[in-house]
Amino acid sequence: EPEVTQTPSHQVTQMGQEVILRCVPISNHLYFYWYRQILGQKVEFLVSFYNNEISEKSEIFDDQFSVERPDGSNFTLKIRSTKLEDSAMYFCASGRASYNEQFFGPGTRLTVL
Amino acid sequence: QKEVEQDPGPLSVPEGAIVSLNCTYSNSAFQYFMWYRQYSRKGPELLMYTYSSGNKEDGRFTAQVDKSSKYISLFIRDSQPSDSATYLCAMTTLNAGNNRKLIWGLGTSLAVNP
Repeated sequence: EPEVTQTPSHQVTQMGQEVILRCVPISNHLYFYWYRQILGQKVEFLVSFYNNEISEKSEIFDDQFSVERPDGSNFTLKIRSTKLEDSAMYFCASGRASYNEQFFGPGTRLTVL
Repeated sequence: QKEVEQDPGPLSVPEGAIVSLNCTYSNSAFQYFMWYRQYSRKGPELLMYTYSSGNKEDGRFTAQVDKSSKYISLFIRDSQPSDSATYLCAMTTLNAGNNRKLIWGLGTSLAVNP
């Protein structure tokens, strides 16, 4: 069964450093998303991406964040200058064109020191 | 008022019990409702997906949506220890754009005891 994959599973970085989180969505999906979950809090929407552009972004997704689909298979989230409060689990999700089910990857745990 | 509310529990039941999990919401524009299961430090796994009101059954799981009350439920019959996890509700609107952002409940932690 196809699944969303994410790398790395755990990323530790120093405050102010850039990180890139990588995702490989399910191959025939067209909608891509990033969410994050701070420990003990709700899952929060960050950004949705369709047809090579951002469809919507949340207030969290400020100028420090960017997304890219560089090669038709990978989907990346970049945080340019990490802050302590960026520490969270980051989940990538993908969905098919005319359906609303979103399938999630296992997540990347980002720890900012 | 929070958009989606869900009692975090924890909920502890004996094996074989019927489990009822619930969420309430405030945005009447929500049309699609999902239940996800999340094991500790793993990604959410889609269990059930329902459009608008009504019931949907899949094996031991039944999802119910009552849009008039803004209330959704997930029932688990003959619960098993392997059902022990956090159950999250999520929902989204039907809009003309390509945005399908999910709005989430906090999740209910369920423990099924052998």
